[in-house]
Amino acid sequence: IQMAQSPSSLSASVGDRVTITCRASQDISNYLAWFQQKPGKAPKSLIYAASTLQSGVPSRFSGSGSETDFTLTISSLQPEDFATYYCQQYNTYPFTFGPGTKVDIK
Amino acid sequence: QVQLVESGGGVVQPGRSLRLSCVASGFTFGSFAIHWVRQAPGKGLEWVALTSYDGKNKYYGDSVKGRFIISRDNSKNTLYLQMNSLGPEDTAVYYCARGRYYDSGSFYIDYWGQGTLVTVSS
Repeated sequence: IQMAQSPSSLSASVGDRVTITCRASQDISNYLAWFQQKPGKAPKSLIYAASTLQSGVPSRFSGSGSETDFTLTISSLQPEDFATYYCQQYNTYPFTFGPGTKVDIK
Repeated sequence: QVQLVESGGGVVQPGRSLRLSCVASGFTFGSFAIHWVRQAPGKGLEWVALTSYDGKNKYYGDSVKGRFIISRDNSKNTLYLQMNSLGPEDTAVYYCARGRYYDSGSFYIDYWGQGTLVTVSS
């Protein structure tokens, strides 16, 4: 299963609402996770089952979608949110990641 | 707290083998599936392999199938990745990550290790 993300990068300001899209090449139901990665650091898990926040993740993060189309939304961008975001499907082996969306400061 | 610590990375010549380890603590290791995920320098994440909680079920990414072997020793809280016939394309940071059961034999990632760098070069 191929995963696509858009945009590949975006520039935003603190306080902005940011939306990242992930599209699967076939129906993956809601077997979709989102991860955040900062430079030189390990990824951090944000969301699983398309919309369920991992423990400790701020509520400004939200996920939605099903089947092939998914979104990650950050309701009010904070300084610590500037990072690269990846989606991943875990419906079918081999699991696959999207290419990433880099969010940087405008 | 949940901890995953990878080791065994380094510089290896093309065609040679290397074994990575991942030691877990802070949870009941033998109750969880574990993933390997890698990231080439400046590139995105690539899923490599997964083993079920008991080691009986194993799955691999297309680029490593037939060359890499995932295994675990639950008595030692340790996961392994035996990497054979290494090529420059295998140069990456390798992460182990805990898998939580979701449904129908599927597992999502909740915790990640810090990674170990493997460089394949002559």
